[in-house]
Amino acid sequence: AQSVAQPEDQVNVAEGNPLTVKCTYSVSGNPYLFWYVQYPNRGLQFLLKYITGDNLVKGSYGFEAEFNKSQTSFHLKKPSALVSDSALYFCAVRDDEQAGTALIFGKGTTLSVSS
Amino acid sequence: DVKVTQSSRYLVKRTGEKVFLECVQDMDHENMFWYRQDPGLGLRLIYFSYDVKMKEKGDIPEGYSVSREKKERFSLILESASTNQTSMYLCASRGLASGISYNEQFFGPGTRLTVL
Repeated sequence: AQSVAQPEDQVNVAEGNPLTVKCTYSVSGNPYLFWYVQYPNRGLQFLLKYITGDNLVKGSYGFEAEFNKSQTSFHLKKPSALVSDSALYFCAVRDDEQAGTALIFGKGTTLSVSS
Repeated sequence: DVKVTQSSRYLVKRTGEKVFLECVQDMDHENMFWYRQDPGLGLRLIYFSYDVKMKEKGDIPEGYSVSREKKERFSLILESASTNQTSMYLCASRGLASGISYNEQFFGPGTRLTVL
């Protein structure tokens, strides 16, 4: 079975500091990995994805994520946080060997950036 | 830009009512999805559809049904609404990728349903 875990319900960081939002996954085949962001009372917006190739993936708004196969992780990072980055972040996974096409989402991590 | 629209942002219904949530996408996507989002539980898949008139149950289909008569429209139906169906409902669509890839899902703004 495939699953994804976001071990932190909330991450707090000061503006200008680097941020990391953690994600680990479990699949039987190769993973397709995604990060989404949700602002209050809005739908989810796609940030970035890893399918294959370079382990470091760059996405929207200065975010990046590193795929680590040995640790089965796909942590979201940003070198310098902004107050406007405060939102709810979701990691999602799809196993390339599983039938069906829906992404499996983590429970979300609330990022709070203070000024 | 892909646009996924949902018929209502906020909806209040009474227990036992039949409720229709509509979702429309404008990018000719084959796949469409309905999720519900609850605090601490993340997004849980209710139903998805590979293509017109095709549907598959997700993780929590009980109490729900779906309809996809046209490619651009995917409806979620609560046959007899109950208070435990109070939630945020999110629709998404996805186009098929070629080769070794998987396209991202595009989400609508959500419908916050309250069942009294």
